[in-house]
Order: sequence, then structure tokens, then C-alpha cells
Amino acid sequence: TQLLEQSPQFLSIQEGENLTVYCNSSSVFSSLQWYRQEPGEGPVLLVTVVTGGEVKKLKRLTFQFGDARKDSSLHITAAQPGDTGLYLCAGGRDSNYQLIWGAGTKLIIKP
Amino acid sequence: DAGVIQSPRHEVTEMGQEVTLRCKPISGHNSLFWYRQTMMRGLELLIYFNNNVPIDDSGMPEDRFSAKMPNASFSTLKIQPSEPRDSAVYFCASSRFGQGGNSPLHFGNGTRLTVT
Repeated sequence: TQLLEQSPQFLSIQEGENLTVYCNSSSVFSSLQWYRQEPGEGPVLLVTVVTGGEVKKLKRLTFQFGDARKDSSLHITAAQPGDTGLYLCAGGRDSNYQLIWGAGTKLIIKP
Repeated sequence: DAGVIQSPRHEVTEMGQEVTLRCKPISGHNSLFWYRQTMMRGLELLIYFNNNVPIDDSGMPEDRFSAKMPNASFSTLKIQPSEPRDSAVYFCASSRFGQGGNSPLHFGNGTRLTVT
């Protein structure tokens, strides 16, 4: 069974602080997607990484795919209350339509 | 782009009743997915349609659950009879080509089902 483990499960920090969320697996994925879900809404795609070692930036968010394509991280610089939400990672395999989902990191940014 | 549209947003029903959830995917997307989300189990894939054909229903919990996609613009998920353990948020999602890689999922806002 392929598993994607996210850590931490829950994080509550003050506005302006930095944070990193991790997504780890023992399996290799062809792609890794990060989604953010706000209360009462469905997950929304933030980014997809497909190349080992790839780094993508989305304003204050930096996403990295591990060299071996087994893990990924999301780093937020100077967190804002608007970053509050549930962050989900999902690993994909080109040969299989299945996405393997992490359990999510619930992030709260306090003003 | 109107996005994926789900209805109803909330459904409260009594145990034993039939529940029907509805979904309109994004026009032009050939893949449709029904997911269930709970605190305990996170996001679980229930069923996957490709070009209106069910490809994988191995995630459907049991015979009480059924899903149909009569055409490219409409799908239903039915639970009959419903049980309290079915209480969850049910999401419909669509994509151009399956999942993963360069084919992101577009989720609706979900139906929150409460079975008493």
C-alpha cells in the first residue's frame, strides 16, 4: 500500500512567521500535487511538481519535489491569515489514474 | 468557467432514507470522480468515470452506494438505505484526463451529508 504521510497534522502560528509542511512516502511518484482547502469548499490546486529536485514558487509559497521523487515540502514565508486552511498533498503515477492523498495539514495563522 | 457544481450543499436525513447527490462537471472534462471526506479517513475515492463509463468503483463502500453518469454533464451518487456512518462531505471532481501529472482535479464545494 502506498502512503503519503504529511507532517505536522496541525500547526497554529502567528502572522509573519515562516513554516514548512512535509509530505513523505517510501514510493516514487511521477508527480506531486499540492491543494489548499478552505472551510466549506473543495480542495483547490496550488501547484504540480513533476521533476526530481524541482522547486516552484507561488508568491510566498515555495514547493519542492525531492530528488528521488518520494517526498515534497511546502514552505510559507511570512504567513498571512489568508493562508489558513487544510493543505493536502497528492501523489500521481502516470501509469495509473489513482492519486494517493495525504491526510492533510491544518494550518491556522493568527493575526 | 462555472466550475464543478454540486447539489444539494447540505442534506440531513434519517437512517434508512434514500439520498441522491448530484454533480455537473466542467464542460470538456472527460473524467469524473466522487470522493468522500471525513476527519478520520481523509479523502477517499469512491468511483471514477472516464467518458461517462465507470472505470473503478472499488472504493464504493458497499451495495448501498451506486453512481451513474448518464451523459457528460451530469452524475449522481445514491445511497439507499442511508446509515449514520455515511455522514461525511461528498465531493465531485472533474479533470481533462484522469488524475495526476498535468491533469489537476477541479472539485465542487461538496455536499455535507448528515444521517441521523
